[in-house]
Amino acid sequence: ETGVTQSPTHLIKTRGQQVTLRCSSQSGHNTVSWYQQALGQGPQFIFQYYREEENGRGNFPPRFSGLQFPNYSSELNVNALELDDSALYLCASSGRGWGANVLTFGAGSRLTVL
Amino acid sequence: DQQVKQNSPSLSVQEGRISILNCDYTNSMFDYFLWYKKYPAEGPTFLISISSIKDKNEDGRFTVFLNKSAKHLSLHIVPSQPGDSAVYFCAASMGWETSGSRLTFGEGTQLTVNP
Repeated sequence: ETGVTQSPTHLIKTRGQQVTLRCSSQSGHNTVSWYQQALGQGPQFIFQYYREEENGRGNFPPRFSGLQFPNYSSELNVNALELDDSALYLCASSGRGWGANVLTFGAGSRLTVL
Repeated sequence: DQQVKQNSPSLSVQEGRISILNCDYTNSMFDYFLWYKKYPAEGPTFLISISSIKDKNEDGRFTVFLNKSAKHLSLHIVPSQPGDSAVYFCAASMGWETSGSRLTFGEGTQLTVNP
């Protein structure tokens, strides 16, 4: 059983640029969610996708967007990067129904915005 | 508005002793609580959970206690081992039917178990 894999592991961008982060879900999981973890903070929910549609969103602006593909892999896109977007971005997958709250996380993509 | 709070950023314990990590929440709609452990350069891994219909759940060395009236939960690790050294996150949910995979996390507590 493969876990959740994310790419790239690290990247550096400048203010105003755009970034795409990728995630492969754990086998058998059909829901993917993305979290932002700023330094010294806990992960903060960005949004979740189920059946290729956004199905719940946290307090993040529209320049944060995502995609889920038929194979349940996912992308997180962030446009017009700001310095405060520097963080660890975590992807998590889960099933539906009882146990949907028990997420399997990837190791994350660390984004630095200069 | 921090709905889940872990007031201790760090905790140091001697090997073999008990580790107690605490978590408080403010939203009475939360009905499912989880603890995650995170090692450096790895993603958080699920440790143990508890539903609001229970006040205790035990899994090996790990026990979670829930006090709904006080909106407080705690994680007990007995006996503590050096491999338990990690950041521990408390998380809360309004149940999978309502929130799916949406968890609200605390800030984390760095546990260090000294040999």
